[in-house]
Formats: sequence, C-alpha cells, structure tokens
Amino acid sequence: GAVVSQHPSRVICKSGTSVKIECRSLDFQATTMFWYRQFPKQSLMLMATSNEGSKATYEQGVEKDKFLINHASLTLSTLTVTSAHPEDSSFYICSAPHGPRTSGGAHFNEQFFGPGTRLTVL
Amino acid sequence: GENVEQHPSTLSVQEGDSAVIKCTYSDSASNYFPWYKQELGKRPQLIIDIRSNVGEKKDQRIAVTLNKTAKHFSLHITETQPEDSAVYFCAASKVKAAGNKLTFGGGTRVLVKP
Repeated sequence: GAVVSQHPSRVICKSGTSVKIECRSLDFQATTMFWYRQFPKQSLMLMATSNEGSKATYEQGVEKDKFLINHASLTLSTLTVTSAHPEDSSFYICSAPHGPRTSGGAHFNEQFFGPGTRLTVL
Repeated sequence: GENVEQHPSTLSVQEGDSAVIKCTYSDSASNYFPWYKQELGKRPQLIIDIRSNVGEKKDQRIAVTLNKTAKHFSLHITETQPEDSAVYFCAASKVKAAGNKLTFGGGTRVLVKP
C-alpha cells in the first residue's frame, strides 16, 4: 500500500509552453501533498504544499503564478509550470503523507514519494 | 525556517567498512528525522527514521543516532556493500497530524568500492 504515482515521467517542451504534472495517491487519500524540485546533483527543495480544497502554500522564493498547483480531489494534485524556460528544467517530485505508523511510541504520517518527472525545456 | 546541513558531500568507502553521515538542524522544535536513499533518477526511499524522544535506532546494518541538545543526528551503515552506493539525504520536520513538511540536507554521495 501507500503508492504515489506521477505522470508524465519525462517531458520535453519548447520554451514558453506550459507543462502539467500529475501526482496521484493510488491507494490512499491525501488532503496534503508536497511538491519538490531537484536540480542535478542537488538536494530536494520544497516548492509548495498542496492542500485539498484550498490554496497551496508556497515556499519563499517560489513564484505562485508560475507554478500553479491544484489539489482538486483527495487523490490528485497537479503542478503546472507556466511559460516554461530552460532554467525550469529539473526533476519534479511529489510526496504525500500516509499513516499513521508508530515510531518511538508516537504516531505520525510517513511521506511517500512519487517516481518524479524529468522536465526538459528547450 | 528549518535549515539542515549534511556532511560529507561525498564519501568513498571500501566494501565491508562502515560509513557515517552527519547532519545538523537549526529548529529545536523539529521532532522527526528520516533518512532517505536515492538512486540516480529514482524517487527517495525511506531507509530509517527517528523521533526526538529516542536517542538511537537500529535496523540490521543501518543505525541512526540523535543528539537533541546538540541538534545533530547521524546515519551509520556497517559492513557496506556495493548496493549501498547511492545518494543519501537526511531530513528534519515537525510532525503534524496532516503530514510533515520535510527540510532536506544537501545529500551525501556514497560510493562503496568492491
């Protein structure tokens, strides 16, 4: 259980076009999902928190008008990169918490990651 | 916000030797510290985690230690094998009922030489 999928796995687009990436929790519901960006040989940087039925919460420095997030259902969040440019080329990964599980005597939700989407903007 | 630093950035060990990766965090309210292994082009995989009310946790060849006072935690891999070669990330977060926002360290590229 606790599987998260992403679609597409790879996308190549021309500069100026928009790209939509889907993140789905396949066997559980997620009121919250997280979107990360990972440049080559770098760490995962949180871009935004996607909230079902309400606006996403963006991290400092992330343009909300450029990275549109929609969490329309309990199993689907989408990230749209609008007017993509070569500097937006990156590996985009979503995650969703699912639980609870117990560790150290406390209950919490573990993060489950999608397989990632490699975006290349020409 | 939270800031997590990870060292070293690269680590090369001989097969069978131990590997140690260290992380420090800045937010004393953080209470959950997972470690992830990521292979090239793949998703991060949770390998072990620890809560702030525990000082040490072990799972076969992998162990994690936490020093809350000093705000640092470490990953120990014993008897390393070539399949342990990957990038390892530490992370820190404050656990909430609806999930927890993770702040990742910069990553450690581990190479186990046969």
